[in-house]
Amino acid sequence: AQRVTQPEKLLSVFKGAPVELKCNYSYSGSPELFWYVQYSRQRLQLLLRHISRESIKGFTADLNKGETSFHLKKPFAQEEDSAMYYCAVVSGTYKYIFGTGTRLKVLA
Amino acid sequence: NAGVMQNPRHLVRRRGQEARLRCSPMKGHSHVYWYRQLPEEGLKFMVYLQKENIIDESGMPKERFSAEFPKEGPSILRIQQVVRGDSAAYFCASSTGTARSAGELFFGEGSRLTVL
Repeated sequence: AQRVTQPEKLLSVFKGAPVELKCNYSYSGSPELFWYVQYSRQRLQLLLRHISRESIKGFTADLNKGETSFHLKKPFAQEEDSAMYYCAVVSGTYKYIFGTGTRLKVLA
Repeated sequence: NAGVMQNPRHLVRRRGQEARLRCSPMKGHSHVYWYRQLPEEGLKFMVYLQKENIIDESGMPKERFSAEFPKEGPSILRIQQVVRGDSAAYFCASSTGTARSAGELFFGEGSRLTVL
């Protein structure tokens, strides 16, 4: 069965420090992977997807099929990055499976 | 486009009552998903629907829970004879979706159910 693991419930870093939010997945086919983010008092929204290979708000994520990982990284954290982050894998073309989420706190 | 609309935002029910949660997807979206969020558990997939069809309900409890997405009107998640363990936030999301790639999910603000 598809599964997404986000081992850290809470990650605290200081402003300007590098950030890495871990995500490991279990999926037998060719997965599509996403990161979604929920800022305070806002809806959950898409941050980035692996097929786009893009950098959004300074964040990047590389799909590592060998390690079945899709870690989210940013070289220099900003206070406005504080939010809840969810990694998701899509089964087939429609079934999104989310991890338990990691709360990122960026300290001044 | 008002985005995905869920109502009610907050619902309080006593044990044994019925809860109905509604979700209007974004305009042009024909795919609707329901997720349940419990503390410490993230978003748990419940059901995926397209207009008039349930595509995948593997995450729905076998009893008391049902979902529909009629041709006209919002998608409805119905919980009969609620119990305290049903207390949670229920999120709806919609997407366009294609046969080649999963579309971006657009989420509603959620409906928080409290069972007394």
